[in-house]
Amino acid sequence: GAGVSQSPSNKVTEKGKDVELRCDPISGHTALYWYRQRLGQGLEFLIYFQGNSAPDKSGLPSDRFSAERTGESVSTLTIQRTQQEDSAVYLCASSLSFGQTYEQYFGPGTRLTVT
Amino acid sequence: GENVEQHPSTLSVQEGDSAVIKCTYSDSASNYFPWYKQELGKRPQLIIDIRSNVGEKKDQRIAVTLNKTAKHFSLHITETQPEDSAVYFCAATYSSASKIIFGSGTRLSIRP
Repeated sequence: GAGVSQSPSNKVTEKGKDVELRCDPISGHTALYWYRQRLGQGLEFLIYFQGNSAPDKSGLPSDRFSAERTGESVSTLTIQRTQQEDSAVYLCASSLSFGQTYEQYFGPGTRLTVT
Repeated sequence: GENVEQHPSTLSVQEGDSAVIKCTYSDSASNYFPWYKQELGKRPQLIIDIRSNVGEKKDQRIAVTLNKTAKHFSLHITETQPEDSAVYFCAATYSSASKIIFGSGTRLSIRP
């Protein structure tokens, strides 16, 4: 079946502009995560959605970052007034958070470059 | 706070030798510990996971051990092969929920 998809795959934007990144999780997955991965670095947790519960936004680095999710489907991560330090790969993952597995399935990522 | 420490950050082993990567976590309520492998330019993929009710799990050449008292867990790869070269991430659940926090990663290189 279809895996997690993300769009765009690459985004180049000028400093100060807003960007919107999209994630389509696997159908039926109630949990959805956003991570940031700078070049050669680890996976930095940003935000976590679980069903209809309030999202865990504890990883968002500043108020320029926000995310939404419509029910248990698409999620968008918005970065306002982008800065050069926002340049990174943004990875989305989804999982079945109930039952026997919490395995996360990652999307291919969106490579964001802020010039 | 929520933290997963991972060591070493880089590891180079001779082909055929074993590799060990260690992680510690801070939340005693953590109950699920996955390991992900990320090859260059690709997305992370789950290779093995362990729950808090077991101490060890094996899958062919890879194994994971968990010490709940000490709050640490380790990945063991035996008979390493060139295709094992990648970045490996450990992770742990937090807040007794599915929120998953990752370690900083270990870049494993296998020398021919």
